[in-house]
Amino acid sequence: RKEVEQDPGPFNVPEGATVAFNCTYSNSASQSFFWYRQDCRKEPKLLMSVYSSGNEDGRFTAQLNRASQYISLLIRDSKLSDSATYLCVVNSHRDDKIIFGKGTRLHILP
Amino acid sequence: GAGVSQSPRYKVAKRGQDVALRCDPISGHVSLFWYQQALGQGPEFLTYFQNEAQLDKSGLPSDRFFAERPEGSVSTLKIQRTQQEDSAVYLCASSLGQGAVYEQYFGPGTRLTVT
Repeated sequence: RKEVEQDPGPFNVPEGATVAFNCTYSNSASQSFFWYRQDCRKEPKLLMSVYSSGNEDGRFTAQLNRASQYISLLIRDSKLSDSATYLCVVNSHRDDKIIFGKGTRLHILP
Repeated sequence: GAGVSQSPRYKVAKRGQDVALRCDPISGHVSLFWYQQALGQGPEFLTYFQNEAQLDKSGLPSDRFFAERPEGSVSTLKIQRTQQEDSAVYLCASSLGQGAVYEQYFGPGTRLTVT
């Protein structure tokens, strides 16, 4: 099993719809989780950290399920500007390993 | 304030040539990371510095790759005897705290093409 796995997509979603995608991780010692967003030919930028209790930032909600070892990202009322690749990042504090997923491509359709 | 900067932004090297890629992190950031990103893939970890100490270089793909951060700020990633498979975007990121816990701020990357 790969250390961090994401569905590569693309997810083609009409504007205004809700979309969700997951990221699974294999290292149970993982302790920090993040979602980054990467636009085409640009650098990744932090979208949100993922906390154990789940967290919400406007239209974005992130959840962590430690028992099943996955994190999720939900985007409500999607906008054209949400089109990007979403990268899941998992860190293990024990060995300071940082693993990026390969990313999920999202296309919001007008 | 200034973000992470990298130079050059684009580099074309002939196979066998040595290259040096520079990263200027955000001032005061303790941690510095180098990643390699191939087309259509996520960033792959190469190496990590905490101040001037290189704490993890487990991701460097071969002994042709070498990184340094001698004064704990600017870092250089050097690739000797470049090969075609080294073609990728090399991303540098810095973060305020120690280790892998904190948000990383990425530079724009250096796109290396080996011909």
